[in-house]
Amino acid sequence: EVQLVESGGGLVQPGRSLRLSCVASGFIFDDYAMHWLRQVPGKGLQWVSGVSWNSANIGYADSVRGRFMISRDNAKNSLYLQMNSLRVEDTALYYCVKAVADAFDIWGQGTMVTVSS
Amino acid sequence: QSALTQPRSVSGSPGQSVTISCTGTSSDSNYVSWYQQHPGKVPRLLTYDVSKRPSGVPDRFSGSKSGNTASLTISGLQADDEADYYCCSYVSTYTWVFGGGTKLTVL
Repeated sequence: EVQLVESGGGLVQPGRSLRLSCVASGFIFDDYAMHWLRQVPGKGLQWVSGVSWNSANIGYADSVRGRFMISRDNAKNSLYLQMNSLRVEDTALYYCVKAVADAFDIWGQGTMVTVSS
Repeated sequence: QSALTQPRSVSGSPGQSVTISCTGTSSDSNYVSWYQQHPGKVPRLLTYDVSKRPSGVPDRFSGSKSGNTASLTISGLQADDEADYYCCSYVSTYTWVFGGGTKLTVL
């Protein structure tokens, strides 16, 4: 069964850091690009960051560039998102997502990040 | 990275067809995808590369594109189609952007 399991979310104060992790199973992890997307409860989807299979290509949404860093460890079938200088507006459910072509076909259940003082 | 523009809501009766538009895509890009999300559920990929469907997605869901507007057409509307729908497009330099989402109501 293809599965993505996120962890690392929680409550954090503005300005602090948090690291999200995602473990993949059921497919050849290093064959695919991987992404982080987020969704404020009750609101729309937002693409956050993506990394190609070999980490040669990496991209970020304007709202997180310079604060967030995506990485992957193919040996561990894992994807990460280091989030620094967190803001209240970063509060959202963060999804780990597998890519197919230039779309997103397999989604984790998400990990909630709440930034509040 | 300007968000793509979708109508806030659309509606239709069972058996009818509805089309959801998505404007702001690049006219020379075919990297448009559509997602369905039921309340409290994880999004589901419906179409990608404008009109391709992953296995398991019924052919009632079809994607198309003309100029800078992409569209998702749902034919033979069913009660279970009531959900939120999002378009997404690859922009450039390894970045993507979503539309604001459209709530489909089945009357």
